[in-house]
This record gives sequence, C-alpha cells and structure tokens, in this order.
Amino acid sequence: DAKTTQPPSMDCAEGRAANLPCNHSTISGNEYVYWYRQIHSQGPQYIIHGLKNNETNEMASLIITEDRKSSTLILPHATLRDTAVYYCIVRGFYNQGGKLIFGQGTELSVKP
Amino acid sequence: DSGVTQTPKHLITATGQRVTLRCSPRSGDLSVYWYQQSLDQGLQFLIQYYNGEERAKGNILERFSAQQFPDLHSELNLSSLELGDSALYFCASSVGARAGGAEKLFFGSGTQLSVL
Repeated sequence: DAKTTQPPSMDCAEGRAANLPCNHSTISGNEYVYWYRQIHSQGPQYIIHGLKNNETNEMASLIITEDRKSSTLILPHATLRDTAVYYCIVRGFYNQGGKLIFGQGTELSVKP
Repeated sequence: DSGVTQTPKHLITATGQRVTLRCSPRSGDLSVYWYQQSLDQGLQFLIQYYNGEERAKGNILERFSAQQFPDLHSELNLSSLELGDSALYFCASSVGARAGGAEKLFFGSGTQLSVL
C-alpha cells in the first residue's frame, strides 16, 4: 500500500473550515484514500473515503487531485469536538483481508 | 456507539502473567482486526481475521496470539507479559464481504492494559 505524508499538527479556529492535506504520490490505480480520526484515547472513527472523485458526507468532504497524488479533508465548520488526530490512509481494494496501516496523522486543534 | 464491544475496558496485571482480551464485532461483520496503541508507537496493526481464518499479520509478538470463533467473536491472548506490553488494545470489525471494494472499519472503545 502507498505511503502517506501529513503535517504533524494544525490549528483551526472554531467555526472555520479545517483543511487537512495528505500527500500520497505513490498511490496506484486500485487504491482508495481513507480518512479516520481518533479523539483522545477513543477508538478511531471512520470519516470518509474516495477513489477518484470528490466525496462528501455528513461529516466531511474529500477532495482528491486529478493525478490522485494528494488529497484534502475538509471539515466545513470545525467545532471544539473536532479536535483529534486525523489519519490519511491509502489502501488497495479489499479482498477479505489485509493490513490497514495508520501513520502518525495530523493532530488538529480547534481553538475557540 | 460503533457496535463493536470490547471487554474488559481496563485490565491490571503483573509481569509474567497471561490475559485474554475479547472482541464482539458488529452484527453481520465477518472481519476482525486487532491493534495496539502505546504512547511511543502509535496505532500498530497486529492481526486480522476473516470468517475464522487469519488473513493478515502485522508485527505481532510470538507471545501474542489471536483467534476468531465460529460465532465471529475474537480473542487476543497475551502471555508472559512485560512492562512494555502496557497499551490500549483496539479491536475493529468490517463487513468484509465484498471483494474489490472499499472497506470501512468500525473500532471498539479499547481495552487499557496495565502491566505492573
């Protein structure tokens, strides 16, 4: 699975959009981009995933560049409860098994 | 609530002992993952099972073993415990039924293991 690079930390003002970047320049054609987050010592939480197209759900939007070498997770109106570590993961098509490897992630601090 | 149940929530034991952590996946999920999270190592993938069979292995120590039972619950056994095994242990489950597609993992709230 392709490796990802994320900034170790970011700040965001409450109510503003949080834009979290991820670089995955070695991604291959059958690999999805996933985002998870972990709020202090809780179990990680799935946020969103995408293959080629931009995706949006009730939690966030995922923007994937045309060459698929990078992506941005957007939390449109960050709240204090969005303070967490955000993980960008690239993984191939699922086939009954395989590792899902978490990197170091981005620690997002939402400030009042 | 993710629907994944882990027991116990907290476990305190001594070095050299053996413990068993239990995970009940979401209803209908066939795939179970185990992760270890210590302060200095982040989330480390240990092992994955699909419908009772081991499918993927990470850097799981030989002192650790796991299995998935016919009712799909899973147990992680940790033996000859050392101080360094103190960590949060997470279980996750997924549907795991559709090859070639995306997969969402749902995580439990973890078992905090303290080895004294």
